[in-house]
Formats: sequence, C-alpha cells, structure tokens
Amino acid sequence: KQEVTQIPAALSVPEGENLVLNCSFTDSAIYNLQWFRQDPGKGLTSLLLIQSSQREQTSGRLNASLDKSSGRSTLYIAASQPGDSATYLCAARSDNAGNMLTFGGGTRLMVKP
Amino acid sequence: KAGVTQTPRYLIKTRGQQVTLSCSPISGHRSVSWYQQTPGQGLQFLFEYFSETQRNKGNFPGRFSGRQFSNSRSEMNVSTLELGDSALYLCASSFTHQGDTEAFFGQGTRLTVV
Repeated sequence: KQEVTQIPAALSVPEGENLVLNCSFTDSAIYNLQWFRQDPGKGLTSLLLIQSSQREQTSGRLNASLDKSSGRSTLYIAASQPGDSATYLCAARSDNAGNMLTFGGGTRLMVKP
Repeated sequence: KAGVTQTPRYLIKTRGQQVTLSCSPISGHRSVSWYQQTPGQGLQFLFEYFSETQRNKGNFPGRFSGRQFSNSRSEMNVSTLELGDSALYLCASSFTHQGDTEAFFGQGTRLTVV
C-alpha cells in the first residue's frame, strides 16, 4: 500500500528566500507524481506533473524533481513571495491503480513580507 | 474551457440525514474521482468512476456511494450522516493525453453535519 509523507508539516520563511519542500513515497511503482497548491478552504490547483520516466519539471519559479529509486520528490520554489503562502500537497499515482491519488499530509508554507 | 464544477459549495445537514453532492468534470474528461479532506486524516480517496463504471474504491463504509452518468457528470451520496462525515469533499477529473494523466480538482463541497 502506497504511503506518502511530506516534511516539514509547516514552514515560515522571509520573502525572497529559495526553499525546498520534500515528499517521500514508499512504493516506487508509481505512474506519475503531481504537486498541488491549496489555499484555505479552497480546492487544489495543479502545479506540476512528473512522469515516472522524468527526473524533473519546471514551471516559472517552480521546479519539481523525482527520484523513484529513493522514493523522493522535491518542490523547489525560487525567490518566494507572500502570494506563495498556501499548503502544498504531493500526490502519487501508482501503477495499476487507475487514477487514484495517494496524498501526503501537506506542507503549510507562510512567506512573510 | 470550464474547470471542474462542484455543487453545492456548502451544506449543513443533521445526523441521520442523507446528502447528494454533484460534480461536473472538464469537458472531454471521462474519469471522475472523489476525495474526503479532514484536518485529522488529510485527503483520502473515496472512489473513481470511468465511463459510468466504478473503477476503484477506497476504504470507506457502504454509506458512501457514487455514480456517473453518460455525460460524465458524477454524484456522490452519503446516507445516515454522522458527525465525523463533516469534511471538504473534493472531486477531480482526469484526462490521459500522450501518456500523461493529470488530475484537476473542483473547489469542493463543504459538508457540516450537526
């Protein structure tokens, strides 16, 4: 059974810092991994999708990496801004599990002006 | 292109009642999944429907059920509501293109059971 863990659970940084959010998964037989952002009380916004055959994906100030062999993914946010404050969730889609996503507990990020 | 639409956005129900939530996926998406989000358990998978058939099911009691219509719209039903069913219920539609499968979520339905 796939289990996904995110560390740290919460993070507070000053504006302008570069930061890394961590995601680990127990079963390396993943189809892909997706990073989401969630604002309080809202739905999830897809940030990046990494296929199992890929090592990283980039979108603007965001870069996500994937290392299947070690069961890890990281989300790198460059030059953080107060508008980046939100909860970031990673989710693994396992092989042979349809479109079921297994989520980590999330990292709650606060970027202070 | 319209996103995933969930209705209603907010619901207040009494213990023992039943509730139906609705999800309209992105046009062309045939897969709809449902998730429950609570502060204590995080996001947990309920079930997935694809072309009107339940393809996968999470570890929830039989009080939670769903269905999908021919236009891919999906409904989720919870019977005999309990206080612990209070949660944000999220719907996701997924589409596979050139080997990539990505999920897109709606804004959720906030259910409060009193």
